[in-house]
Amino acid sequence: EAGVAQSPRYKIIEKRQSVAFWCNPISGHATLYWYQQILGQGPKLLIQFQNNGVVDDSQLPKDRFSAERLKGVDSTLKIQPAKLEDSAVYLCASSLGTVEAFFGQGTRLTVV
Amino acid sequence: SQQGEEDPQALSIQEGENATMNCSYKTSINNLQWYRQNSGRGLVHLILIRSNEREKHSGRLRVTLDTSKKSSSLLITASRAADTASYFCATDEHNNNDMRFGAGTRLTVKP
Repeated sequence: EAGVAQSPRYKIIEKRQSVAFWCNPISGHATLYWYQQILGQGPKLLIQFQNNGVVDDSQLPKDRFSAERLKGVDSTLKIQPAKLEDSAVYLCASSLGTVEAFFGQGTRLTVV
Repeated sequence: SQQGEEDPQALSIQEGENATMNCSYKTSINNLQWYRQNSGRGLVHLILIRSNEREKHSGRLRVTLDTSKKSSSLLITASRAADTASYFCATDEHNNNDMRFGAGTRLTVKP
């Protein structure tokens, strides 16, 4: 069974630039999560999708972050414009529901 | 906001010893999960315990849940150097199915 795929693995951008991350969840997983993990901290939930609908985006900084999950499969997370404090690992995870979630390897973003 | 909070923040033990990590949370939950993260990698699911369960085992792992105290513990018995990692608890707010993590416990097992 293929795991959760994320790309790119690494990204370096200058502040005020835009960046997008892509996630392909495990086939058949209706729930998809995006997390931000700053070095030394736990993952912070940014947004949770159920199929192509948003379940929880209460911690998503909507002035600069956006996410979509068209057709209820792949998802993209965008930051526009990026700030220095956005430097973190962005993790995508998927699950069948109220059971274990499977995580991708993450995208490490450095904003300079 | 973070839901679960792990304790201690860091733990260093010798190989063969047992490691105990605790997690406290704030609201009612449907279930609680423990995850492991090796440095620079994604998280790996270890075990899930539902709100109506009190204890669960999986190999060298033992998880307890006390809903009256809103706390859980993860015990790793006979630790190995390969157990060195960060361990996180994740909880869902009741009827929301979201999954929120604490700050984690960084475990170091010395050979």
